[in-house]
Amino acid sequence: DSGVTQTPKHLITATGQRVTLRCSPRSGDLSVYWYQQSLDQGLQFLIQYYNGEERAKGNILERFSAQQFPDLHSELNLSSLELGDSALYFCASSEGGSGANVLTFGAGSRLTVL
Amino acid sequence: AQKVTQAQTEISVVEKEDVTLDCVYETRDTTYYLFWYKQPPSGELVFLIRRNSFDEQNEISGRYSWNFQKSTSSFNFTITASQVVDSAVYFCALSEHSGSARQLTFGSGTQLTVLP
Repeated sequence: DSGVTQTPKHLITATGQRVTLRCSPRSGDLSVYWYQQSLDQGLQFLIQYYNGEERAKGNILERFSAQQFPDLHSELNLSSLELGDSALYFCASSEGGSGANVLTFGAGSRLTVL
Repeated sequence: AQKVTQAQTEISVVEKEDVTLDCVYETRDTTYYLFWYKQPPSGELVFLIRRNSFDEQNEISGRYSWNFQKSTSSFNFTITASQVVDSAVYFCALSEHSGSARQLTFGSGTQLTVLP
C-alpha cells in the first residue's frame, strides 16, 4: 500500500457522460499530481496542485478539470467523455512541489468509455 | 523541452541473465533529477531510484544498479541475475529544478519479460 488512495478502481461509462475520480494523498504530502496512461500516449502529465493551488498544467484537455480541497484530497473531473479517454488515470503525491520530490503513485483508476 | 527516450520497447531474457535497460534524456536545465519506476502486471507504479544531476556516482541496491553518465545524457538500469518477479514495465523519468517542467516526464517504458 503506497498510502495514496484512488477511487474508484474501475469505471465503465458511455460516451458523452461525466465522471469524477478521487484521490487522497499520502499523509503529510501537500502536492497532488494527475497522470493519464494510455497505450498510444504513454504516461502523460495532466495537472499538479500544491496545497490547494494549481501549480503546473500539462496536456489536460479542456473537458477535464481538477481541484484540490482544503483537506488536500483531489478530484479529477472528466466530462463529455469520448472513446479515446479510456485510460488508466494515476494520482500521485509528494511532500513538496519541486522537481526533486519523489512521487508516490496510487493504484490508478481504470476508465473504460463505451 | 525535456525529453526521455527508452529505445528498447521490449526485452526478453532467461532467468539469471543480466539485463540493461537504456535511458537517454534531454534537458536544458543544469539541475535536474532522474528517476526509475517499475510497473508490475498489477499496474501500480513503484519508485526505484532518484538521482540528481550533480551526483554521478553509480548506485547499487541488491541486484539493481544504475549507471548515470552526464557526458552521454544516459541513466541506464541493470538487473543482475534476473528473476521472474522482475517482469514488469520499467519507466525512466526526468524532472527539472526550475522553470515549468518540474513535473515528471516519463519515457515510453521498456517491457521486461524474464522467462523461467
